[in-house]
Amino acid sequence: EAGVVQSPRYKIIEKKQPVAFWCNPISGHNTLYWYRQNLGQGPELLIRYENEEAVDDSQLPKDRFSAERLKGVDSTLKIQPAELGDSAVYLCASSLSGAAGTEAFFGQGTRLTVV
Amino acid sequence: TQLLKQSPQFLSIQEGENLTVYCNSSSVFSSLQWYRQEPGEGPVLLVTVVTGGEVKKLKRLTFQFGDARKDSSLHITAAQTGDTGLYLCAGAPLGNTGKLIFGQGTTLQVKP
Repeated sequence: EAGVVQSPRYKIIEKKQPVAFWCNPISGHNTLYWYRQNLGQGPELLIRYENEEAVDDSQLPKDRFSAERLKGVDSTLKIQPAELGDSAVYLCASSLSGAAGTEAFFGQGTRLTVV
Repeated sequence: TQLLKQSPQFLSIQEGENLTVYCNSSSVFSSLQWYRQEPGEGPVLLVTVVTGGEVKKLKRLTFQFGDARKDSSLHITAAQTGDTGLYLCAGAPLGNTGKLIFGQGTTLQVKP
């Protein structure tokens, strides 16, 4: 069974440009997470979906970040315009449910470099 | 704000040595997970602990959840070079299903 698939793996853009990341979760997983991870640090939650509903987006910088999960399956995360400080690895994860202790399966991430 | 603090942040040891990584918080968690992450990959779950005082063993790794469910430890016996990686603890806050708060991670380097 395929794991969580993210694309692209790497992206280099100039500041003020837009960028989008795509995530295909594990089939049947209702909960989808987007995290941002700086080098050598733990992931920080940006947004969590239960099916197509964003149930926790309190950490998403809404002035420049947006996300969607149409039909409760694939998801995209967009940044417009990108800033130098957005350089990080963006991780997508999915789990069967949002119940505490449920295992989250992570993709390989998209490494974004803003120059 | 619920924070998970891991210590140490960096650890460099020789193969065969033992080590312990700590994960501490002032908040109570309904469960706590430990993940291991290799460069260029996403974190992979090692264990989930849910009961205060619980101890789980995974080969040479021993995980413990504090009695008050505010802290946890990961002990590795006779470390191997393959144990090298970033170790992350992640807690699920009480009453907030689905949310995972990660610690800042412990980077472990095991030298041959």
